[in-house]
Amino acid sequence: DSGVTQTPKHLITATGQRVTLRCSPRSGDLSVYWYQQSLDQGLQFLIQYYNGEERAKGNILERFSAQQFPDLHSELNLSSLELGDSALYFCASGLRRDNEQFFGPGTRLTVL
Amino acid sequence: AQSVTQLDSQVPVFEEAPVELRCNYSSSVSVYLFWYVQYPNQGLQLLLKYLSGSTLVKGINGFEAEFNKSQTSFHLRKPSVHISDTAEYFCAVRSSNTGKLIFGQGTTLQVKP
Repeated sequence: DSGVTQTPKHLITATGQRVTLRCSPRSGDLSVYWYQQSLDQGLQFLIQYYNGEERAKGNILERFSAQQFPDLHSELNLSSLELGDSALYFCASGLRRDNEQFFGPGTRLTVL
Repeated sequence: AQSVTQLDSQVPVFEEAPVELRCNYSSSVSVYLFWYVQYPNQGLQLLLKYLSGSTLVKGINGFEAEFNKSQTSFHLRKPSVHISDTAEYFCAVRSSNTGKLIFGQGTTLQVKP
């Protein structure tokens, strides 16, 4: 158990819908990272937050957004969902940006 | 730009045999390298990391890796594998600016009895 929790574990929805994925980092960790794992793209970095502020963006679509709240939990919002958004979404946390990242168990999103 | 190439998509090996999973990286700045393991239906677990110092890095579960700057490689090795080592293995380089991880495509290690 890494100490990072993600909810829900599985999510099945339809095209065009909007979903929210939630991540609670390890106690004391200030950085939160979101990654997407799909069969065709592999593991790709989406976005990073540090202590509530956005620090880095990767290959994140405009339909996707995220935020980190004062209690340091983070949410990833995916809207206007397409079939290709079906993937495993991981959250990772670390104390600082240069520390080891601990990964959560992931949320498996299926878009039908 | 930094990138990672895992040279084998699948590596089949018999139980108790040695194994090497190959990883090459591309970076123009100081590198921080990692190996993660993903068991079926689970998240990623850190096996080992190279930040600086000794080029031979020991990790969990008997794995080790050697950082080779001249060959830009960070191959993962284990002298004797177990059935329980069957999993997906990812090599990653950390961006020196942001801390984000850039992953290779993964290598599936299949340990046969």
